[in-house]
Amino acid sequence: GAVVSQHPSWVICKSGTSVKIECRSLDFQATTMFWYRQFPKQSLMLMATSNEGSKATYEQGVEKDKFLINHASLTLSTLTVTSAHPEDSSFYICSVPLRTEAFFGQGTRLTVV
Amino acid sequence: QQQVKQSPQSLIVQKGGISIINCAYENTAFDYFPWYQQFPGKGPALLIAIRPDVSEKKEGRFTISFNKSAKQFSLHIMDSQPGDSATYFCAASWGRSEKLVFGKGTKLTVNP
Repeated sequence: GAVVSQHPSWVICKSGTSVKIECRSLDFQATTMFWYRQFPKQSLMLMATSNEGSKATYEQGVEKDKFLINHASLTLSTLTVTSAHPEDSSFYICSVPLRTEAFFGQGTRLTVV
Repeated sequence: QQQVKQSPQSLIVQKGGISIINCAYENTAFDYFPWYQQFPGKGPALLIAIRPDVSEKKEGRFTISFNKSAKQFSLHIMDSQPGDSATYFCAASWGRSEKLVFGKGTKLTVNP
């Protein structure tokens, strides 16, 4: 399957700071990438669709000013959690579609203290 | 309309047994039904997927059964092994959106 690399794997940050998470498609180009959020022992919830060359599309209830998405190139999307608070602590996962399948990154564990 | 309901929430099976996880959906526009396996601290990995034009798909020990009229699909893991212990998610998507709607997950434990 396709390889999707997410960085960092885990990060701890202080409340009020911003954190950037990268999602890279290593062996194919993608005009679209997806960002999910997963709370402990819960399912994945789609946050937004990252679109290369245009604005991201956010799901209902997701604050676009808090979760900034930039699809910098056909192989890179970044999610920046701005002014992070403890309630933003979660597991963030990106996925990249290839044909009809979705390939996921290994996830980023964000802990805000 | 967008929900995918998954059961059971947790499942304990003995080594060599059959694990069965069920999912149901409402949105008849869904046309792609994948199953993902997730280990703690890792992203989900695609296990097997099916489209509505077939009623069953088998890959090794993993089989998806699909009932279009009942809007249900299930994952069967034959000869379950301790290494299969993980959380399994069913999902669904429609058209070419590639946006996945996930079930709530089933934590499978296979005892040696």
